[in-house]
Amino acid sequence: NAGVMQNPRHLVRRRGQEARLRCSPMKGHSHVYWYRQLPEEGLKFMVYLQKENIIDESGMPKERFSAEFPKEGPSILRIQQVVRGDSAAYFCASSRDGRYGYTFGSGTRLTVV
Amino acid sequence: GENVEQHPSTLSVQEGDSAVIKCTYSDSASNYFPWYKQELGKRPQLIIDIRSNVGEKKDQRIAVTLNKTAKHFSLHITETQPEDSAVYFCAATDSGNTPLVFGKGTRLSVIA
Repeated sequence: NAGVMQNPRHLVRRRGQEARLRCSPMKGHSHVYWYRQLPEEGLKFMVYLQKENIIDESGMPKERFSAEFPKEGPSILRIQQVVRGDSAAYFCASSRDGRYGYTFGSGTRLTVV
Repeated sequence: GENVEQHPSTLSVQEGDSAVIKCTYSDSASNYFPWYKQELGKRPQLIIDIRSNVGEKKDQRIAVTLNKTAKHFSLHITETQPEDSAVYFCAATDSGNTPLVFGKGTRLSVIA
């Protein structure tokens, strides 16, 4: 069981570029969650998706951020026109039933220069 | 929505002593309370969880207690070891379509 796979592990973008973060959930898991973690801070919820559906995006900034979980392929978190404040670790988690036992991926560390 | 407060933010203990981390939550509908351990530069890993139908759960040196009336839950680590040093996060959810809400974390340092 490969676990939750995130790539890339590290991503450097210049201000104004786009960042694409990918997450493949554990086998058998159909619920995906994205969290953002700033240095020395906790995990802040961004968005919750199931296949082809956004269930809860209450933690997503209204502009520049979007997420999808297509029928085929990984979930994608997209950040357009990145700014320095977007620098953070972005973690994806998945669960089988959307209730218990979130498993986290290793995260993508985004640095905006 | 749910709000989870976690204390203390940092905790230092001598090896072999016990460590206790406390969390409070605001939503009385919450019924699932996991704890995650995050080592430096790594992913959060689930170490123990408790559901609202029990008051205490133990797994070797780790235990979690839940007081639903007071809306607080605690992590207890006994006989601490240097490898217990990490950041610990508590979380809560109502197990419906509401995602886990995390506390801000406790940095535990176990001094040999």
